[in-house]
Amino acid sequence: EAQVTQNPRYLITVTGKKLTVTCSQNMNHEYMSWYRQDPGLGLRQIYYSMNVEVTDKGDVPEGYKVSRKEKRNFPLILESPSPNQTSLYFCASSPWVTGTGANVLTFGAGSRLTVL
Amino acid sequence: SQELEQSPQSLIVQEGKNLTINCTSSKTLYGLYWYKQKYGEGLIFLMMLQKGGEEKSHEKITAKLDEKKQQSSLHITASQPSHAGIYLCGAVPGGSNYKLTFGKGTLLTVNP
Repeated sequence: EAQVTQNPRYLITVTGKKLTVTCSQNMNHEYMSWYRQDPGLGLRQIYYSMNVEVTDKGDVPEGYKVSRKEKRNFPLILESPSPNQTSLYFCASSPWVTGTGANVLTFGAGSRLTVL
Repeated sequence: SQELEQSPQSLIVQEGKNLTINCTSSKTLYGLYWYKQKYGEGLIFLMMLQKGGEEKSHEKITAKLDEKKQQSSLHITASQPSHAGIYLCGAVPGGSNYKLTFGKGTLLTVNP
């Protein structure tokens, strides 16, 4: 089944304890992205990657790191989590059809992170 | 950056009623996407519109993009409890397809 898999789905951690949320897709997609969703603020993009070793900042990159060493994986790293990073996180991928404006994203099921 | 305004923010309808959700941009929309999200879950792609005046339908859901490509509407006919959820519009700014920005969503409740 074609899908984007995120882990963990739920996590409670403490301020300052480094954590990684993994994201993997099995569709051979070029493009991957991380979003966070917060009440009243909607879905905001954190980072995206157009291809292996190519990443760029989205709208809210502060406090996050990403890497794209392999096409299928795009982990989100929180080096020193803080309570304001408590959120619902989504990973998404797309085949990225250049020049057509077409970029249908397939989303993972989400990772609910709580930072105490 | 491109901002998408969705209205209404929330909507409660009786089963069987029709409803419309709007998505408005201050800039031309190059690719308008509608997604549905069940509370706390991932987003499911519904439809994509690219051309001014374009209209697409899937089952009881119809989406339209206006001629000026600055507003889209999502219309549900004869709503059912299964239609309940959060509807989000997303758009690609400025003709680029590397960045998809979303509206804040419309929460739809359908009462049986």
